[in-house]
Amino acid sequence: DAGVIQSPRHEVTEMGQEVTLRCKPISGHDYLFWYRQTMMRGLELLIYFNNNVPIDDSGMPEDRFSAKMPNASFSTLKIQPSEPRDSAVYFCASRHTGNQPQHFGDGTRLSIL
Amino acid sequence: DQQVKQNSPSLSVQEGRISILNCDYTNSMFDYFLWYKKYPAEGPTFLISISSIKDKNEDGRFTVFLNKSAKHLSLHIVPSQPGDSAVYFCAASEGRGQNFVFGPGTRLSVLP
Repeated sequence: DAGVIQSPRHEVTEMGQEVTLRCKPISGHDYLFWYRQTMMRGLELLIYFNNNVPIDDSGMPEDRFSAKMPNASFSTLKIQPSEPRDSAVYFCASRHTGNQPQHFGDGTRLSIL
Repeated sequence: DQQVKQNSPSLSVQEGRISILNCDYTNSMFDYFLWYKKYPAEGPTFLISISSIKDKNEDGRFTVFLNKSAKHLSLHIVPSQPGDSAVYFCAASEGRGQNFVFGPGTRLSVLP
């Protein structure tokens, strides 16, 4: 059974460019989460969806960040325009309803030059 | 203000001995706790969980202990193996809330 799939694994781009990160959750999972990991702040939740609907986006750092989930099998996290301080590893995770653990993808390492 | 703390950034243990990783939390409303293990260039993988109605949960070599009055939990790995070398994250959530708060992680090195 495939796990959470994220693409790309690595992204290097110049400041000011638009960046789109992609995530395919585990089939049947109805929650999807986007996290960012940095040395300074550790692993922090950016936004999560339930049944494709955004529930809590209070962790999204600013308006340059947006996330969508057009269907149950796909989500995107977009940064426009990107800045060097956005450099981090971005993780997507999904889970079933209830007290179930989240399953993480392998992350996208983003470097903004 | 960190709600979930892992005060030891790193820990080294000899193979075969016990590894004890600690986690403290400040929010008394947290009632579900998890441990994740993370290898380099991979996402965190779920290890073991415990809800506040229990004070211990065991799964093979891994045991999690919860002390609600002290707002403290610990992960015991015994015996430790070199393959256990990884970063371990403690996470907590409140009720059926989906916002898991993660600790900063502890890097465990198991020496052969």
